[in-house]
Amino acid sequence: DADVTQTPRNRITKTGKRIMLECSQTKGHDRMYWYRQDPGLGLRLIYYSFDVKDMNKGEISDGYSVSRQAQAKFSLSLESAIPNQTALYFCATSDLGGLAGVSDTQYFGPGTRLTVL
Amino acid sequence: GQNIDQPTEMTATEGAIVQINCTYQTSGFNGLFWYQQHAGEAPTFLSYNVLDGLEEKGRFSSFLSRSKGYSYLLLKELQMKDSASYLCAVSGRSNDYKLSFGAGTTVTVRA
Repeated sequence: DADVTQTPRNRITKTGKRIMLECSQTKGHDRMYWYRQDPGLGLRLIYYSFDVKDMNKGEISDGYSVSRQAQAKFSLSLESAIPNQTALYFCATSDLGGLAGVSDTQYFGPGTRLTVL
Repeated sequence: GQNIDQPTEMTATEGAIVQINCTYQTSGFNGLFWYQQHAGEAPTFLSYNVLDGLEEKGRFSSFLSRSKGYSYLLLKELQMKDSASYLCAVSGRSNDYKLSFGAGTTVTVRA
């Protein structure tokens, strides 16, 4: 079974709709991340969380929000989807990392392909 | 932010060697990662460098020079399954010690 799972895997929606993307992990990691990937731009960090009560904005947080329901679950919401949010979205986890002097491998989920019409 | 530059595309022949370069600018360097990503799939970890020098792991090796802001990923004895995108990612004070990714280098292996 996959350690990091994402649902849905594919979603087509319309402008203005509210969308939630979900991520679950069985790795027991405290740190979780949401990225989006666009052709030619690479992965960009949207939000990250170091524990259940911690949520932090990343590089491109406008138009997104997150919730951490448990250590193992981290959800990304688009309150009112717009076409330029069409992208491939990845969730990732790490045991450590994100602090000075501490780097750690991130493990990625399979991705959610979101299309906003 | 951090500037991470890597070539967009490279093509090589099966059995050959390919070197993917990555240059970066950051303060408070905290580590450099290489990930492999097949089309439509998740990135998977390949290597990690935090000290200068070469890290070898089977057919793949990664090199780091912190003073030059430079790394390369060396893929030896190329196989068709190595056709993928290779992502360079850097952690440093400039991005609050999170990972910043390059746009990726698409490697195509031809028979």
